[in-house]
Amino acid sequence: AQKITQTQPGMFVQEKEAVTLDCTYDTSDQSYGLFWYKQPSSGEMIFLIYQGSYDEQNATEGRYSLNFQKARKSANLVISASQLGDSAMYFCAMREVYNAGNMLTFGGGTRLMVKP
Amino acid sequence: DAMVIQNPRYQVTQFGKPVTLSCSQTLNHNVMYWYQQKSSQAPKLLFHYYDKDFNNEADTPDNFQSRRPNTSFCFLDIRSPGLGDAAMYLCAITQDYTDTQYFGPGTRLTVL
Repeated sequence: AQKITQTQPGMFVQEKEAVTLDCTYDTSDQSYGLFWYKQPSSGEMIFLIYQGSYDEQNATEGRYSLNFQKARKSANLVISASQLGDSAMYFCAMREVYNAGNMLTFGGGTRLMVKP
Repeated sequence: DAMVIQNPRYQVTQFGKPVTLSCSQTLNHNVMYWYQQKSSQAPKLLFHYYDKDFNNEADTPDNFQSRRPNTSFCFLDIRSPGLGDAAMYLCAITQDYTDTQYFGPGTRLTVL
């Protein structure tokens, strides 16, 4: 079974609108962390936001928020007020403390394209 | 200022000709990682160093080696590059595993 699943290979969003990128995960670990990274065409992986498994509040960082639904094992990224510069690949990743020795497991990514 | 620096950004090598990619960091984090990322795929972990301890992933080919002469620098050596080794190579750092992994800009390797 896939540890991290991103079901949207590609998405379009209109500039200034909000968009949700889906991420579901599978783990038996009680302690884990969920990350979102942005990868523009230049190739650099840019850290966006983090949610710990014990965090009760959804993480927010500027225009990014993480919609964490632990029971459903989902950690969707919400980008508000999309900008042209948001066009990129987005990767969801999970760090499991016990099952994976704190290594990151990445999803397959979602390519977001922002339309002017 | 960049926390993780990778040189060169673009590297072209010939089939079978050894190549070395370098990574340096300004934060003195004790864990450094090397990932391989092929086109339209997720990054794949090759190996990592925890301090001076080298940790190889089980499916990393022997063709890939690494050196970490000090805390700040880590090198990826590809002894005999094949066409299938053409990829983006990403270096990342973290502190004691529990921190966020921060990535460098990557080196895009072309094998002719």
